[in-house]
Amino acid sequence: DIQMTQSPSSVSASVGDRVTITCRASQGITNWLGWYQQKPGKAPQLLISDASILESGVPSRFSGSGFGTDFTLTISSLQPEDFATYYCQQGYRFPYTFGQGTRLEIK
Amino acid sequence: QVHLVESGGGAVQPGGSLRLSCEASEFTINNFAVHWVRQAPGAGLEWVAVTSHNGAINSYAESVKGRFTISRDNSNNMVFLDLGSLRPDDTAVYYCTRDRGPYSSGWFLNWGQGTLLVVSS
Repeated sequence: DIQMTQSPSSVSASVGDRVTITCRASQGITNWLGWYQQKPGKAPQLLISDASILESGVPSRFSGSGFGTDFTLTISSLQPEDFATYYCQQGYRFPYTFGQGTRLEIK
Repeated sequence: QVHLVESGGGAVQPGGSLRLSCEASEFTINNFAVHWVRQAPGAGLEWVAVTSHNGAINSYAESVKGRFTISRDNSNNMVFLDLGSLRPDDTAVYYCTRDRGPYSSGWFLNWGQGTLLVVSS
């Protein structure tokens, strides 16, 4: 299985900050990388697919980059509604696997 | 607006069986692959299974292979997950999710609210 490793596991930040979350795959997955946001008690929501393609309705302050094994999710200016847990996921090969999550908390 | 509603969760003893259902509305499910993804309490996400748009191609996580079966009834806009030989580590919220197209694209676009399964004696 392809292992996905996120860092950091948690981060504290303030409204207006720029935040970057990284995700590393245990083997090359080209651009088959997605990012999900999950709020407490809710289902995850797909934010970005194909490493950098913003899903419809997702604010432009979210961006993704990377190829191969190393990827990043950047939130350019944090808004109150962005405090949540973020997961990366590889869609390259079965079984699809997720990172362990990054909890973004208010400082 | 795409709508998915899971049902069938509950409390089951180890070794027991259960059927989870996922009902789709506001779109025609026979055009899309559908996945099940689960999340143990306080834990991360785990992909469980996928069925192609016509049910001809199904894939499973190794942890559930031989114990769980995914199926679909396109005429009623439903997808099912039959769970057997249940273990305590199957305890989780189970989500059904719609894919981008008729075969698995690797992405989980739309999600239901989830149904909780607890396996305990």
